[in-house]
Amino acid sequence: EAQVTQNPRYLITVTGKKLTVTCSQNMNHEYMSWYRQDPGLGLRQIYYSMNVEVTDKGDVPEGYKVSRKEKRNFPLILESPSPNQTSLYFCASKGLRYNEQFFGPGTRLTVL
Amino acid sequence: AQKITQTQPGMFVQEKEAVTLDCTYDTSDQSYGLFWYKQPSSGEMIFLIYQGSYDEQNATEGRYSLNFQKARKSANLVISASQLGDSAMYFCAMREGLIYNQGGKLIFGQGTELSVKP
Repeated sequence: EAQVTQNPRYLITVTGKKLTVTCSQNMNHEYMSWYRQDPGLGLRQIYYSMNVEVTDKGDVPEGYKVSRKEKRNFPLILESPSPNQTSLYFCASKGLRYNEQFFGPGTRLTVL
Repeated sequence: AQKITQTQPGMFVQEKEAVTLDCTYDTSDQSYGLFWYKQPSSGEMIFLIYQGSYDEQNATEGRYSLNFQKARKSANLVISASQLGDSAMYFCAMREGLIYNQGGKLIFGQGTELSVKP
């Protein structure tokens, strides 16, 4: 089954404790993105990658890092999480010639 | 300025009736794409329908149709014969520029919460 997976689905952590949210897709897609969803703001792009070792900032990159060492994986790293990073996070992937973005199930992060 | 505006925070519709969810957009690009996604209470994002800026016909997918009025920069979603399972948050989104622009980045509206009454 074609899908984007994310782990963990839920995470409660404390300020300053480094964490990684993993994302993997099995569709051989070139493009991958991370979005965060906040009430009243819709989803906003954090980072994106157009291929292995090619990443760039989206609209709200502060406080986040990403890497793309393999085509299928695109982890999101919060080196020193803060309460304003409490949000619902989505990973998405898209094929080169296709319009539709496929979204993962979401990761609900709470930073205390 | 907001690039995607959804002016209806919440809407109610009677089961089996049609409903229109409004979306207006703002871009200076000639090439762009418009999307609608559904987010049920379980949280996942479900793709519903796509309209390209050069598509002359309105997009349709089953009970969903996109009423594309380019001159007015609107891309309203029409759901025909509403069902209880249509109760969800609905997001309008836009991809500015070409298909690979910023990894296909989508700009989302604030969403419209649709409730279908039995």
